[in-house]
Amino acid sequence: KAGVTQTPRYLIKTRGQQVTLSCSPISGHRSVSWYQQTPGQGLQFLFEYFSETQRNKGNFPGRFSGRQFSNSRSEMNVSTLELGDSALYLCASSLPNRESYGYTFGSGTRLTVV
Amino acid sequence: GQQVMQIPQYQHVQEGEDFTTYCNSSTTLSNIQWYKQRPGGHPVFLIQLVKSGEVKKQKRLTFQFGEAKKNSSLHITATQTTDVGTYFCAGPYNNAGNMLTFGGGTRLMVKP
Repeated sequence: KAGVTQTPRYLIKTRGQQVTLSCSPISGHRSVSWYQQTPGQGLQFLFEYFSETQRNKGNFPGRFSGRQFSNSRSEMNVSTLELGDSALYLCASSLPNRESYGYTFGSGTRLTVV
Repeated sequence: GQQVMQIPQYQHVQEGEDFTTYCNSSTTLSNIQWYKQRPGGHPVFLIQLVKSGEVKKQKRLTFQFGEAKKNSSLHITATQTTDVGTYFCAGPYNNAGNMLTFGGGTRLMVKP
């Protein structure tokens, strides 16, 4: 079965701009989580969506937002980009319950803010 | 808040040597997961441990969950160049939902 698909793979934006990243989870996986990965901070949780509802939110400013559609596809948006937002953004899909067997990550979107 | 720490941060080994990374949580975990990320790649799920004292093996990899469910280890026997990458442990944040707290990772480098 198809894996987790993230688009685009690479993105270069200017400070102050906004960006939208897309994630299509594995078919049947209704939970989608987003992580930011940087060399200094490691993997930091952004948010999790399940059945179009944000179920958990990490400690990021309100410039970071997301949503999930009825087909479980998810998007995340970052407004008013800052240089520090340069990172690899990873989407992960999983089964929705506590006994899930791990995340399946997408290849990520590498965002560079200049 | 909940913290998951991993040591060491980096490890250089000669091919054929063993390798171990350790993971410690500030809170008791309902389960612990391990992931591997190859250079330039994304994290790939390796295994989940659920029971206190659980030990699981995958070929040359041995995973252990501590009796108190606050620590875990990954041991690789006779490393190969294909083992190169960063190994992360992760635990459910506040043991609820699908949110995971990841350790900082241990980057393994193998000299052929």
